[in-house]
Amino acid sequence: EAQVTQNPRYLITVTGKKLTVTCSQNMNHEYMSWYRQDPGLGLRQIYYSMNVEVTDKGDVPEGYKVSRKEKRNFPLILESPSPNQTSLYFCASSPTGFNQPQHFGDGTRLSIL
Amino acid sequence: DAKTTQPNSMESNEEEPVHLPCNHSTISGTDYIHWYRQLPSQGPEYVIHGLTSNVNNRMASLAIAEDRKSSTLILHRATLRDAAVYYCILRDVLTQGGSEKLVFGKGTKLTVNP
Repeated sequence: EAQVTQNPRYLITVTGKKLTVTCSQNMNHEYMSWYRQDPGLGLRQIYYSMNVEVTDKGDVPEGYKVSRKEKRNFPLILESPSPNQTSLYFCASSPTGFNQPQHFGDGTRLSIL
Repeated sequence: DAKTTQPNSMESNEEEPVHLPCNHSTISGTDYIHWYRQLPSQGPEYVIHGLTSNVNNRMASLAIAEDRKSSTLILHRATLRDAAVYYCILRDVLTQGGSEKLVFGKGTKLTVNP
């Protein structure tokens, strides 16, 4: 089954403790992206990757890192999480870029205390 | 940046058509218009996209104005399962460096009454 898999689905942690949210897709897609969703603000793009070893900033990249060492995986790294990064996070992928349908994961709810 | 404007909410009755509007007055000539929806507690789901001509698929139709400054997502017969937040999205290309990012609007929350 074609899917985008995020882990963990839920995480409660404390300020400053490094964490990684994994994202994996099994569709051989070149384009992957991370979003955060906050009440009243809709979905905002954090980072995206057009292909392996190619990443770029979205609208709200501050406080986040990403890497794209292989096509299927696109982890989101919070080196020193802060409470303002408490949010619902979504990973998405598409074959070769924006002008194609994106497949979204089921989301990761992060709470930073 | 190319932005979209959508009504915050709309309401419809089951089995009736629904027209969801989106304004994008600063759209560029090569921007595609995409629609996604997000059901409660789920990730966004692709609905439809188009460039200039009207488009149809099994989920919906997309009507694009001749000047491309607005578009309308049409659900021909709303069902209770169509209750969701609908997002109209444009490809947003920065002029410097050719980088590319997505800009979601805040979406329209569609309520479908039985």
